[in-house]
Amino acid sequence: GAVVSQHPSRVICKSGTSVKIECRSLDFQATTMFWYRQFPKQSLMLMATSNEGSKATYEQGVEKDKFLINHASLTLSTLTVTSAHPEDSSFYICSAPGVGGTAYGYTFGSGTRLTVV
Amino acid sequence: QKEVEQDPGPLSVPEGAIVSLNCTYSNSAFQYFMWYRQYSRKGPELLMYTYSSGNKEDGRFTAQVDKSSKYISLFIRDSQPSDSATYLCAMSASGGYQKVTFGIGTKLQVIP
Repeated sequence: GAVVSQHPSRVICKSGTSVKIECRSLDFQATTMFWYRQFPKQSLMLMATSNEGSKATYEQGVEKDKFLINHASLTLSTLTVTSAHPEDSSFYICSAPGVGGTAYGYTFGSGTRLTVV
Repeated sequence: QKEVEQDPGPLSVPEGAIVSLNCTYSNSAFQYFMWYRQYSRKGPELLMYTYSSGNKEDGRFTAQVDKSSKYISLFIRDSQPSDSATYLCAMSASGGYQKVTFGIGTKLQVIP
């Protein structure tokens, strides 16, 4: 089945530094990648949608200059958290629609636990 | 009011029990309904999906959708310790590359 590989799985960084998270679709082409954030005891919240070859679409309240998204190819999307602060500590997960692009077949990465100290 | 309401639990049941997990929603435009299972520190994996109202069965899992009541359920028969995870309901107004709204997730523990 479709697999999305997400790295790193865990990262600890100092406040003020930037962190890059990568998501790769291993056996299919992902023209779209969804980026979610999950705080403890809260549901997955969509942050932005990246599309290969065009600018990402951000959800209301998400700072596009802080969360830089790049969809460089049909198999790679990256999220960079710039000038990270402790409040950015969260679980970040990417997701891609499967073959056919229906809401049914979203495949999730394994997630990245970001801790900003 | 949240678009999707789900009891976070935790829900503890003995091995072999029938588990009932539920979500309610307020957006009548939702037509696609999904259940995901998420193990600790992992990404969610799709368990079941249904379109509009009705039932769908897959092995020990049964998903039910009642659009008139805006209520969806996931039943797990003969629950196993390996079923211990967080179960998230998710909904979308349409297929394609559309936004999916998730519930908060119910943490389930099946005790041997």
